[in-house]
Amino acid sequence: NAGVTQTPKFQVLKTGQSMTLQCAQDMNHNSMYWYRQDPGMGLRLIYYSASEGTTDKGEVPNGYNVSRLNKREFSLRLESAAPSQTSVYFCASSDRTGNTEAFFGQGTRLTVV
Amino acid sequence: GQQVMQIPQYQHVQEGEDFTTYCNSSTTLSNIQWYKQRPGGHPVFLIQLVKSGEVKKQKRLTFQFGEAKKNSSLHITATQTTDVGTYFCAGYTGFQKLVFGTGTRLLVSP
Repeated sequence: NAGVTQTPKFQVLKTGQSMTLQCAQDMNHNSMYWYRQDPGMGLRLIYYSASEGTTDKGEVPNGYNVSRLNKREFSLRLESAAPSQTSVYFCASSDRTGNTEAFFGQGTRLTVV
Repeated sequence: GQQVMQIPQYQHVQEGEDFTTYCNSSTTLSNIQWYKQRPGGHPVFLIQLVKSGEVKKQKRLTFQFGEAKKNSSLHITATQTTDVGTYFCAGYTGFQKLVFGTGTRLLVSP
């Protein structure tokens, strides 16, 4: 089983460029999440989607937008990348009850120069 | 600021020593989960605690959930080099919002 698939694995952007990080899960999960991981900061929630058709802001949403394209896919867009967005990005999914484990993708290492 | 804090941020132990990480939330959590992230990897689920005061064990790992459901701990007895990684606590706050702690990085020397 593929689980949660993220693309790309690595990306280098110039300041001001835009890009979309893709995430897809094949576990029929209702909830999906985007996190960023920075040294000493743990995993910080950017946006989440509790179910298809809904999205909500997390702890650090500024500079990002998301789209829950369908039940399987949840994309994260950087409209105008900034060096402060250099980070490792993780997508995750979980079942709808809020009482179940989250499954993570392999991560995207993004560098903004 | 970040809702869920963990201490210590980093700990280096000799193999065979014990290790404990503490997790504190500014809000009450419906449950607490623990994850392990190996260097270069992604977080992997270890366990979930739901009840106030709950204690669970997985071999050398002991997990506790505080009475007020705002704090938790993970204790590893007699660490091994395979325990190396970063340990995160996480909890659901509100509807489906899964928030992670700041993490504790564990290094074990043989």
